[in-house]
Amino acid sequence: DAGITQSPRYKITETGRQVTLMCHQTWSHSYMFWYRQDLGHGLRLIYYSAAADITDKGEVPDGYVVSRSKTENFPLTLESATRSQTSVYFCASREQGSFWEQYFGPGTRLTVT
Amino acid sequence: AQKITQTQPGMFVQEKEAVTLDCTYDTSDQSYGLFWYKQPSSGEMIFLIYQGSYDEQNATEGRYSLNFQKARKSANLVISASQLGDSAMYFCAMRGGTSYGKLTFGQGTILTVHP
Repeated sequence: DAGITQSPRYKITETGRQVTLMCHQTWSHSYMFWYRQDLGHGLRLIYYSAAADITDKGEVPDGYVVSRSKTENFPLTLESATRSQTSVYFCASREQGSFWEQYFGPGTRLTVT
Repeated sequence: AQKITQTQPGMFVQEKEAVTLDCTYDTSDQSYGLFWYKQPSSGEMIFLIYQGSYDEQNATEGRYSLNFQKARKSANLVISASQLGDSAMYFCAMRGGTSYGKLTFGQGTILTVHP
């Protein structure tokens, strides 16, 4: 499918488990982002990447790890899930130089029990 | 650091009327961009409109317009002729000048359109 996809769309996991959220985009966009959405906070940036093998922390990076070995993929890993990481996670991408566009994936709803 | 403030947790409007959703921002960047996104109950983020800090005219996209007042640091979204399908959460967001396009979001405003 063309565009930006996320998998899984829904996930329930237990406290302490490792879970990986996948993000894939077909446009070969340089920049990719992970946000989390929580009531009362809007969306907050977790990590971002400017290119393959270049990643940096956002506003709320604690407890998360990212990698970007290929331009089109940007997985987000919760190393040891906590209840406070229950949230909706959005992946986004944009092309370098296209400052007014940022395309969002459909989101992953994660529940940590 | 950038900050976006949306002071209206919820707004109501009658169908076919216009509504203004407020957004104020704070940044020390000279170059920045302001966005509005719509999030319907289905959850996806839908881009509505963009305003660059150096754009002299207010941005418009169909029924959406952005009332950009740079001196007041406000970027209000105006929806004209509201439709039932406009009922959704609306987010104001900002991109800084040297931030790789990272977005800072406000808390959102839930808009309900009454028939």
